[in-house]
Formats: sequence, structure tokens, C-alpha cells
Amino acid sequence: ELKVEQNPLFLSMQEGKNYTIYCNYSTTSDRLYWYRQDPGKSLESLFVLLSNGAVKQEGRLMASLDTKARLSTLHITAAVHDLSATYFCAVDMAGTGNQFYFGTGTSLTVIP
Amino acid sequence: EPEVTQTPSHQVTQMGQEVILRCVPISNHLYFYWYRQILGQKVEFLVSFYNNEISEKSEIFDDQFSVERPDGSNFTLKIRSTKLEDSAMYFCASSKGNTGELFFGEGSRLTVL
Repeated sequence: ELKVEQNPLFLSMQEGKNYTIYCNYSTTSDRLYWYRQDPGKSLESLFVLLSNGAVKQEGRLMASLDTKARLSTLHITAAVHDLSATYFCAVDMAGTGNQFYFGTGTSLTVIP
Repeated sequence: EPEVTQTPSHQVTQMGQEVILRCVPISNHLYFYWYRQILGQKVEFLVSFYNNEISEKSEIFDDQFSVERPDGSNFTLKIRSTKLEDSAMYFCASSKGNTGELFFGEGSRLTVL
């Protein structure tokens, strides 16, 4: 079974600081997705990474994918309170269509 | 902007009762999915559906679960006889193709008493 692990599970950071969330997965895949979830809400798509070396940026968030290392990172630059949420990575295992395997999630709290 | 819609937003039911959760996927999408999230835990795949049949299902999706596309717009998840451990948020999702981005609905929270 594909395992997807994120760390840290909980992250409390001050506004203005930088930090990186890591997503490791256990088997071959070249498709990785990042989602944001606010409490009690749905999953909002942030990034779609479809090849080794893919890098995407949106505002203060930047995601990258290293398929050889089976690692994706979500980098937060100069955090603001509005980024407080839970962030999930999800891996689509090759050959299974869109059967996403989600990571454990990283609960981010940005402190003013 | 097109979105996936789900009803009800919250349902409370007694153990052993049947529950039907409804979803309207994005209109030009062809692939449909159900995921669930037990409170505080990760999101888990249940089933994918294409061309009026199940294409993939997980171990969670046992005989108590079924899916149906009764008409051209709705996609339903039925739980035949609910158990306490079925309490979770159930998310419907859709996609254009069988690879790529999934668009999730707001979820239906099921509470089994």
C-alpha cells in the first residue's frame, strides 16, 4: 500500500517567517497534489505537480516535486495569518487513475 | 465558477439505518469519486466511478456501500446499514480525466448514533 507521510504534523509559526512542509511517499509516482483545508470545510486545490523537478508558486506558497527522492515540499514565505489551515499532499499512484492517497496533513497556525 | 455540490451538509442517523448522500459533479466532468475523512484524520479514498460503473474501490468500500448515477447529473453514495464507525465527513469529487486535479465538494457530515 502506498504510504504518504507529512512532517511536521503541527506547525506554529510567527507572521513573517519562512518554513517548509515535507511530503514523502513510498512508491513510484510522478503526480502529486497539494490541498488546503480550513476547519470544517472542503479541500481546495493549491498545486498540481506532474513531473520530476516541477515547481509551482502562488503568492507566498511554492511547491516542488522530486520524484527520484519521492519527496515534495511546500514552502511558505513570509507567513501571514490567512495561511492558517491544514495542508494535505496527495499522491496518485501510477496505474490507479485518480485514486489519491492523502498524507496525514500538516496543521499550520500562523501567529500574529 | 463550476463547483461540486453535496447534500445534505449534515445528517444524523441511528445505527442500522440507511443513508444516501447526494452529489452533483461539475457538468463536463466524466469521473466521479467518494472520499471520507474521519474527524481529525486523513482523507481516505472510497470509490471511483466512470461510464456508469465502479472503476476502483478501496477496502473500506464493502458490501454496505454502493454508488449510483441515477440520472445525468446526480451521483449518490448509499450506506445500507450504518455503523458507528461510519461517522465521518464524506467528500464527493469529480475530474475531467482519470488523471489530474480533483475538485471536491463541501462535504456531507454523517453522524451515526
